[in-house]
Amino acid sequence: GQSLEQPSEVTAVEGAIVQINCTYQTSGFYGLSWYQQHDGGAPTFLSYNGLDGLEETGRFSSFLSRSDSYGYLLLQELQMKDSASYFCAVRTNYGQNFVFGPGTRLSVLP
Amino acid sequence: NAGVTQTPKFRVLKTGQSMTLLCAQDMNHEYMYWYRQDPGMGLRLIHYSVGEGTTAKGEVPDGYNVSRLKKQNFLLGLESAAPSQTSVYFCASSPSVDTLAEDTQYFGPGTRLTVL
Repeated sequence: GQSLEQPSEVTAVEGAIVQINCTYQTSGFYGLSWYQQHDGGAPTFLSYNGLDGLEETGRFSSFLSRSDSYGYLLLQELQMKDSASYFCAVRTNYGQNFVFGPGTRLSVLP
Repeated sequence: NAGVTQTPKFRVLKTGQSMTLLCAQDMNHEYMYWYRQDPGMGLRLIHYSVGEGTTAKGEVPDGYNVSRLKKQNFLLGLESAAPSQTSVYFCASSPSVDTLAEDTQYFGPGTRLTVL
């Protein structure tokens, strides 16, 4: 089967740095993506890794190690508005078949 | 640009009834997807399409059918609704990707479906 694992909850304070890990076991791998979803809202794209290494987009960075089937999302200078759920997702074939992780709920405290 | 829109936003069905959810995108994207999201869980892919006239099964296709007669529209049908299909349904689209450089999906606002 296909499975992605993420911590269910993470709590941090404003201004801090938090790392959300994602490990995956899938039949194929064509890239790891990260999405943010606020309560009642739609997922929005944050970052993508197709190759090993670090990708940086403003306060958000994402890392991938294909040999370890592992990636993480790093959020810096946390703000209250970053309180949301974060999902990792793997594209498992070239035909756009995606598997999402169960999500990590991030709570940012003042 | 409206992006990805979904119709309707809310719907309540009785067991055995049928309905169609409509997804439309105005970004000229090749790929479109239907997901369901149950409370406190991630998204599960129902069906997807890599182009007009083509569809493929995702992780949880049973009980659903889809059609992509026009590039901008992707329809999700429930022929005989069951309480287990109570969920939030999200449609998404993405541009054609020839390399591993990008994999962005753009999501619609969702349809909240309750089956009694």
